[in-house]
Amino acid sequence: ETGVTQTPRHLVMGMTNKKSLKCEQHLGHNAMYWYKQSAKKPLELMFVYNFKEQTENNSVPSRFSPECPNSSHLFLHLHTLQPEDSALYLCASSPPARSGLAVEQYFGPGTRLTVT
Amino acid sequence: AQKVTQAQTEISVVEKEDVTLDCVYETRDTTYYLFWYKQPPSGELVFLIRRNSFDEQNEISGRYSWNFQKSTSSFNFTITASQVVDSAVYFCALSSNTGKLIFGQGTTLQVKP
Repeated sequence: ETGVTQTPRHLVMGMTNKKSLKCEQHLGHNAMYWYKQSAKKPLELMFVYNFKEQTENNSVPSRFSPECPNSSHLFLHLHTLQPEDSALYLCASSPPARSGLAVEQYFGPGTRLTVT
Repeated sequence: AQKVTQAQTEISVVEKEDVTLDCVYETRDTTYYLFWYKQPPSGELVFLIRRNSFDEQNEISGRYSWNFQKSTSSFNFTITASQVVDSAVYFCALSSNTGKLIFGQGTTLQVKP
């Protein structure tokens, strides 16, 4: 068990649906991340939260809306998605950076999203 | 610019063979961390190791070993006596001074029985 859980593990949604992905970490970390992993593509960082504040938005379309109510929970709200948004969405958490350097991140199992 | 290159897209070996996964990085920072992650078919990235740029000592953990060479900007990962359970995608990553991890493209390792 990694200490980072994600629900649901699989999600199929239509382009007009609204759904949310949930991530929870039990590691006492202060930073949380959303990544997108598409087939044959490298990991894409989407959002970063430090101490509940968004510190990074990597030019993500507005149809993806993150929410971080506290340091342990992270949501990704989805609406009017496109088929090309189908991917594995990974959540991660980490301790604070050391001297400004990123430290290891701990990942959840991901949500496999299919947009039809 | 910071970059991580894993030139091997896919590697296939037979069980019990040794296999080395290559990782080459680019950075102008003098202090940085390097990482390896394993992503089995279940999807979750599993943290394997973090290495400090000031520590070039090779590390061994069971069948896993890592060779860090600053002179060639490489941080290679060797699995000795590979097993079917080692089949996964392996990612090398570099810490950036912006607080982000820079991931390589990943190497898919298939270990056949």
